[in-house]
Amino acid sequence: DADVTQTPRNRITKTGKRIMLECSQTKGHDRMYWYRQDPGLGLQLIYYSFDVKDINKGEISDGYSVSRQAQAKFSLSLESAIPNQTALYFCATSDPETRDIHGYTFGSGTRLTVV
Amino acid sequence: KQEVTQIPAALSVPEGENLVLNCSFTDSAIYNLQWFRQDPGKGLTSLLLIQSSQREQTSGRLNASLDKSSGRSTLYIAASQPGDSATYLCAVNTGNQFYFGTGTSLTVIP
Repeated sequence: DADVTQTPRNRITKTGKRIMLECSQTKGHDRMYWYRQDPGLGLQLIYYSFDVKDINKGEISDGYSVSRQAQAKFSLSLESAIPNQTALYFCATSDPETRDIHGYTFGSGTRLTVV
Repeated sequence: KQEVTQIPAALSVPEGENLVLNCSFTDSAIYNLQWFRQDPGKGLTSLLLIQSSQREQTSGRLNASLDKSSGRSTLYIAASQPGDSATYLCAVNTGNQFYFGTGTSLTVIP
């Protein structure tokens, strides 16, 4: 099983619909993140959470909300989807204390299309 | 705000060649820096992480260096192979979050 699992892998939804993207991890990391990736813009941070009771907005949080249901689960919601939210969405986890060469683990991504 | 730039945006090399990818950042107050590989339509795979106190990190044919004072990092790939073809992303950790460059798309020609 993957360390960081995102569901669904692909989703097409209509403008105005509410949609939830889910992320679960088996790394045991406290820190979890949601990013979106657009061609030519790199990855931009939407929300991040340092533990279950700590939620923080990133650079582009407008139009999104999150829920940290447990240490292992971090969900991203689009309350009313719009076409410019079409993108590739990534969940990631990190452990700031690690001295391992791999400090930041990403899921495989959710490709979201809003029509 | 931290800004991360990767040059070149695209690079093609013949198989077997050694190559260097560049990453620059505007604020030297970083926690660490990480290099990732991304295949088309796929997630990010971590390659190397360099802590701010380190100057380089090695894994197999990959060597990453960090010059924090000048705001630069390089990823050196030795003896490139067609399987190395991918987009390489640099990410700088300021403590709360990572800031990503837009990547270098590498093609290794057999």
